[in-house]
Amino acid sequence: RKEVEQDPGPFNVPEGATVAFNCTYSNSASQSFFWYRQDCRKEPKLLMSVYSSGNEDGRFTAQLNRASQYISLLIRDSKLSDSATYLCVVNTVFSGGYNKLIFGAGTRLAVHP
Amino acid sequence: AAGVIQSPRHLIKEKRETATLKCYPIPRHDTVYWYQQGPGQDPQFLISFYEKMQSDKGSIPDRFSAQQFSDYHSELNMSSLELGDSALYFCASSLGEGASSYNSPLHFGNGTRLTVT
Repeated sequence: RKEVEQDPGPFNVPEGATVAFNCTYSNSASQSFFWYRQDCRKEPKLLMSVYSSGNEDGRFTAQLNRASQYISLLIRDSKLSDSATYLCVVNTVFSGGYNKLIFGAGTRLAVHP
Repeated sequence: AAGVIQSPRHLIKEKRETATLKCYPIPRHDTVYWYQQGPGQDPQFLISFYEKMQSDKGSIPDRFSAQQFSDYHSELNMSSLELGDSALYFCASSLGEGASSYNSPLHFGNGTRLTVT
């Protein structure tokens, strides 16, 4: 089983739709969580960190469920420009103090007119 | 704001040649990570450095080596290149390492696209 798993999609949605992505992680010691967005042939860019209490940034809402070990990303009122791959990233701190970031395989979103 | 700078942006090499990729982290960032991303793949972690010492090692082939220098820039050296090494190579930097820095996200450079022919 992969350490971080995402539904690869693609999710094909019309403009204005609400879409949700889930990401599960296997290491219960994982400490922090991020969503990155990656456009084709470009570098991943930080979309938002995911806080324990959940957080919102405009049309984007991130949630964390530690008991079930998953995080989610909700996009409301989808725009054409939201079309991209969304990567879930999980940071785990190991004994010895070093931390390791693990990427999910990404979920592709395609928003159409 | 200054970002992570990678060079070159594009590189074409032949099989069995060598290549060196460079990464300049965001100022004051002391941790550098290297990732390899093949077509249609998620980024695969290769290796990381904290304060000029290797801090973690992922799926980096023995033909590759890397180091972090006193100014915190890093270089990925790739020898005996194979066709399968063709990929996007990303460098990312963050601030610090350890429990105190676990909330520090990675900031990626634009990547180097390596094509091996």
